[in-house]
Amino acid sequence: DAGVIQSPRHEVTEMGQEVTLRCKPISGHNSLFWYRQTMMRGLELLIYFNNNVPIDDSGMPEDRFSAKMPNASFSTLKIQPSEPRDSAVYFCASSLSRGIDIQYFGAGTRLSVL
Amino acid sequence: GIQVEQSPPDLILQEGANSTLRCNFSDSVNNLQWFHQNPWGQLINLFYIPSGTKQNGRLSATTVATERYSLLYISSSQTTDSGVYFCAGVGVKAAGNKLTFGGGTRVLVKP
Repeated sequence: DAGVIQSPRHEVTEMGQEVTLRCKPISGHNSLFWYRQTMMRGLELLIYFNNNVPIDDSGMPEDRFSAKMPNASFSTLKIQPSEPRDSAVYFCASSLSRGIDIQYFGAGTRLSVL
Repeated sequence: GIQVEQSPPDLILQEGANSTLRCNFSDSVNNLQWFHQNPWGQLINLFYIPSGTKQNGRLSATTVATERYSLLYISSSQTTDSGVYFCAGVGVKAAGNKLTFGGGTRVLVKP
């Protein structure tokens, strides 16, 4: 299996621009998670989906952030408009939520907002 | 939600040394994972260990669920063990599989 695939790996944008991060979970997994990693706050969960349905978005910082999962093999995290404080590494993870529930992480997207 | 504390925050080792990393949880967990974040930023699964002991090569982990802590042992450390080690858990009272991460232990293995 190719694992969780995220794109792009790096994104540099200017303040005010729209940013879209993409994630392809492991085939057959039914849960998908978006995390953000910063020096100040460490690794924190933004939102997670189960069977393509958003279950908990309490970690989403504000209305500028939105996430979708139109099907079992694709999810997006969008920031509009982006701000410099959004600069971070964004990780996507997936798991098979039955019994032993191990989350597997993608390589992350390093976002820099200038 | 639960709080996860890791210690020590930083660790410098000479190659070949052994070490123990600790993770304390504020409440009981029913999912506990250890990760290694390598210098390239990738999060690598090490162990899924809500209880008991597991070993994988030079690494082993023990979780004492009743006392809400987990230990990660690195034996005969190598420079490739450098990076940040995270533990993360899902509280028994949490809805769904929301992993809460500790702050990490930054390990540097010197040749």
